Amino acid sequence: SQTIHQWPATLVQPVGSPLSLECTVEGTSNPNLYWYRQAAGRGLQLLFYSVGIGQISSEVPQNLSASRPQDRQFILSSKKLLLSDSGFYLCAWSELGGWQPQHFGDGTRLSIL
Amino acid sequence: GNSVTQMEGPVTLSEEAFLTINCTYTATGYPSLFWYVQYPGEGLQLLLKATKADDKGSNKGFEATYRKETTSFHLEKGSVQVSDSAVYFCALSPNAGGTSYGKLTFGQGTILTVHP
Repeated sequence: SQTIHQWPATLVQPVGSPLSLECTVEGTSNPNLYWYRQAAGRGLQLLFYSVGIGQISSEVPQNLSASRPQDRQFILSSKKLLLSDSGFYLCAWSELGGWQPQHFGDGTRLSIL
Repeated sequence: GNSVTQMEGPVTLSEEAFLTINCTYTATGYPSLFWYVQYPGEGLQLLLKATKADDKGSNKGFEATYRKETTSFHLEKGSVQVSDSAVYFCALSPNAGGTSYGKLTFGQGTILTVHP
């Protein structure tokens, strides 16, 4: 069966520091991969999605970037964190096809001080 | 563009009460529809799905029917439990090609609290 791993679970970082969040998927090949941010425990905002290695689409202009160095690895990064980057970050994967559901990791709670 | 509207909440019920969370959508063509549940401090879990009109998705006592004529996908459960307390998200995914292919559009979420 497929599993998705996301780490760390929580992270406290000072303003201006770099960021690297990692997500890996097991048990499937060539998945679509997604990064979301959730503010205040409610609505989800799609940040990035990827349909293959090295292929990244950005949904909103921001202080963050994403990379997909391997088929089942998706990384969210920042060179200098802002206070507004605080939030709950969720990684997700899906099979190809619009009818396929997305499956989410357990999320990373990021607090910027 | 695509959009999902769900009842604002929060919804507060007593154990064993009937639950309805309304969800309506706007999309071209025939999207797939999903309900996700998020327990405190966790990621989203797929609760149920429907991929074509009149399909009924069901799981753990929850049901939702894809109504093309009313563009709705309301979530129902006959008897809620305290353990059902969570945030519920309605979402759609377009089945056709184009720039939205494979992307989920989420509603804002509905907080459900069930008291014993």
